[in-house]
Amino acid sequence: ILNVEQSPQSLHVQEGDSTNFTCSFPSSNFYALHWYRWETAKSPEALFVMTLNGDEKKKGRISATLNTKEGYSYLYIKGSQPEDSATYLCASHAGNQFYFGTGTSLTVIP
Amino acid sequence: NAGVMQNPRHLVRRRGQEARLRCSPMKGHSHVYWYRQLPEEGLKFMVYLQKENIIDESGMPKERFSAEFPKEGPSILRIQQVVRGDSAAYFCASSRGLAGSTYEQYFGPGTRLTVT
Repeated sequence: ILNVEQSPQSLHVQEGDSTNFTCSFPSSNFYALHWYRWETAKSPEALFVMTLNGDEKKKGRISATLNTKEGYSYLYIKGSQPEDSATYLCASHAGNQFYFGTGTSLTVIP
Repeated sequence: NAGVMQNPRHLVRRRGQEARLRCSPMKGHSHVYWYRQLPEEGLKFMVYLQKENIIDESGMPKERFSAEFPKEGPSILRIQQVVRGDSAAYFCASSRGLAGSTYEQYFGPGTRLTVT
């Protein structure tokens, strides 16, 4: 079992602020790192899949980076909006399995 | 294109009964993953299936739990003789191939199982 950890556990920011969260994962047997956005009462929605050390992905105001050597990924949100409020999950894909962190719960205050 | 479908969305079972959870993957997807989310915990991998094959079931309890993905029809997660500790949300996800650098997983809305 791999330990995937996310921090912080929860975060409150003001609308317009930029923010970032961390996902750390064991770098052994690493295949890919996934980020998901999970709104209450909905299904997790895939944001990014990253595999290569140094990868950077961007979707609108959200971006992510990957460091496979030290085993961490950052998710950045620029100019947070209330609709960004959700839980952000990361998952490490190793072998046939996905190991999920417990998520960072983001609340954007208007 | 319909997303991943799961039914029922809510299931109540008494201790000792059987629970059957269904997952219909997205059209064109032949890979299915089942996850369990216990209260106050994250998603935990249970089993990975391709059509007619169990690829990895190392996350699934050895007793009472089984999964299948037949050639036709949905994937089924079956829990026999349910106990209170089985109460959880069960999610399935599907992908076109082995989810990874090329293929993303798409999640269903989950089935919330309550054992009374």
